[in-house]
Order: sequence, then structure tokens, then C-alpha cells
Amino acid sequence: DAGVTQSPTHLIKTRGQQVTLRCSPKSGHDTVSWYQQALGQGPQFIFQYYEEEERQRGNFPDRFSGHQFPNYSSELNVNALLLGDSALYLCASSLAQDRDYGYTFGSGTRLTVV
Amino acid sequence: RKEVEQDPGPFNVPEGATVAFNCTYSNSASQSFFWYRQDCRKEPKLLMSVYSSGNEDGRFTAQLNRASQYISLLIRDSKLSDSATYLCVVNGGSYIPTFGRGTSLIVHP
Repeated sequence: DAGVTQSPTHLIKTRGQQVTLRCSPKSGHDTVSWYQQALGQGPQFIFQYYEEEERQRGNFPDRFSGHQFPNYSSELNVNALLLGDSALYLCASSLAQDRDYGYTFGSGTRLTVV
Repeated sequence: RKEVEQDPGPFNVPEGATVAFNCTYSNSASQSFFWYRQDCRKEPKLLMSVYSSGNEDGRFTAQLNRASQYISLLIRDSKLSDSATYLCVVNGGSYIPTFGRGTSLIVHP
């Protein structure tokens, strides 16, 4: 049973560059959520995709954008990278109808901006 | 006030000890509650859901107090392998999980 897979696992980018992170949800899941986790902090909600549309968005600037494909996989794009964007980016998948169940997380992409 | 608040710790306890973590939340419309465990540099993993009646899973007991808007996690007979960060998670009215910053537990021999 394939869990949530994310790529790449690690990434180093320069300030001002753009980055794309990818996520494949757990088999059977149709909803993908993205979180940013800075060192020593809990994951912060970026946005959630369902039926190829952004359903909910957290308090993140427009530099953060995303996409969901027909096969439920998703991408997170960050433009004009800042040093403060350095963090672990987590993708979580779930089934829209199972709202009371927890999410399954991928192992994350560790982004370092230099 | 943060939506979900936890004492970051660390809690440093000997093997065999009982340790309790608390978490408070601000949204009274919150629908569901969870505890996640996160090992160093790994992703969070669901430990257990928290039900109004309280629930137990082996050495772990979770309780919810809706009136006071807090959740607790009790770990009995702590093992070295319990060392991790424990994240309190609350699903608000929008069903988007909101995470606390986590409580660090260190179990020593």
C-alpha cells in the first residue's frame, strides 16, 4: 500500500529563485494538504486541494501556489524565495468524506534557501 | 492567542515514569482532535484520535474536555522509544487540522 510520496527529499535554492515540490497522495485519497514546518515549530497549513481546486488557504502570501492533477497528485510552487522559506514542507493526504480521520503525511521535502 | 497551544517542554523523564501533556485550543467549534508523534527530522504520524469519552491505546490515554477546551495525553510506563515530539492537532469548523508547536519528550535510562 503506497503511502504519501514527496519529491525531492532535499533541495537547496538561492534567494529569488522559484521551486516546485511534488506529492503523490496515499492510494484511495483524494485530498492533498500542504504544510510548512520551521525548525522547532508545528506544521503550518498552507493550502488544501480537492477536485483540482484550492479549497482552503492558510495565512501564506501569493508567492505560494499549488496545483492538483486529475490523478490527485499535487505540486507546491514557491516564487521569489526568501531565506525565511527554509523549512520542511509536508504533504498530507486524506479522503474528503472522512473528515474525522487524521491525515497521512509524506516524509517531506527539506528546502534550504541560501 | 494561538489556536492550539502546547507547552514545548522538553519533558525529561526516566524510563517507567508516567508523563502527561496538555493542549488548549481556542475555537469552540472544533470538531475533532488528534495526537501525532514526530520523531526527529521525520514526518508526523498519527498516534491516536481523541474522543469526548476519552480513549486508551495500550500505555497511551487521551482525554478531551470540551467545556475547558483542552486535550490531554497520558503516557504510562515510559519507554526509551517514546522519546519524540508530540503534536496536538485540532480540526476546526473548516476541518483543516491545526497543529500545536509540539511538546518534546525525552525518556532516559
